[in-house]
Amino acid sequence: EDKVVQSPLSLVVHEGDTVTLNCSYEVTNFRSLLWYKQEKKAPTFLFMLTSSGIEKKSGRLSSILDKKELFSILNITATQTGDSAIYLCAPTITGNQFYFGTGTSLTVIP
Amino acid sequence: DGGITQSPKYLFRKEGQNVTLSCEQNLNHDAMYWYRQDPGQGLRLIYYSQIVNDFQKGDIAEGYSVSREKKESFPLTVTSAQKNPTAFYLCASSIAGWTGKEAFFGQGTRLTVV
Repeated sequence: EDKVVQSPLSLVVHEGDTVTLNCSYEVTNFRSLLWYKQEKKAPTFLFMLTSSGIEKKSGRLSSILDKKELFSILNITATQTGDSAIYLCAPTITGNQFYFGTGTSLTVIP
Repeated sequence: DGGITQSPKYLFRKEGQNVTLSCEQNLNHDAMYWYRQDPGQGLRLIYYSQIVNDFQKGDIAEGYSVSREKKESFPLTVTSAQKNPTAFYLCASSIAGWTGKEAFFGQGTRLTVV
């Protein structure tokens, strides 16, 4: 059975802290892994990872994939209150199906 | 502007009633998806469609039905058979097949059964 586990489920940090969010997956016919940020309603796309060991960066956010160990991490440095959101990871499989994890709820306190 | 529109934003339903959630996209995407989101459970796939007039069940299809008569539209009907329909429903679309592209989401519909 396909499975996606994110940890921690929730996290509270102070502004300026660095956080690491984890995503482990077990899916058949894996093609890529996506990260999304959900602030209120619609999740917005952050990263797509297809190859192991290649870090994707966007400002203070970065992510990396390990296809051998079946996990990905999302790092956020120098956190800001605007980073408060639910972060979702989603492995995709052949046929462009997306399997979403439970999400990590991040709260950044001023 | 291209995007996905879900309507209504909020919906109240009496027990025993069917209700239909609308999802329209003008991104020219072949694939469309419906997800349900409950607190602490992430997004769970209800139905998806890779092409017009074809759709497949996801992990939690029981009590739901869909149609895909037009490329732009993928309505979801929550039937009275769905035992716990109160949830946040998200529609998404993407380019079909393996293209390495992400899915785009609508703003969601919050359904409450009263």
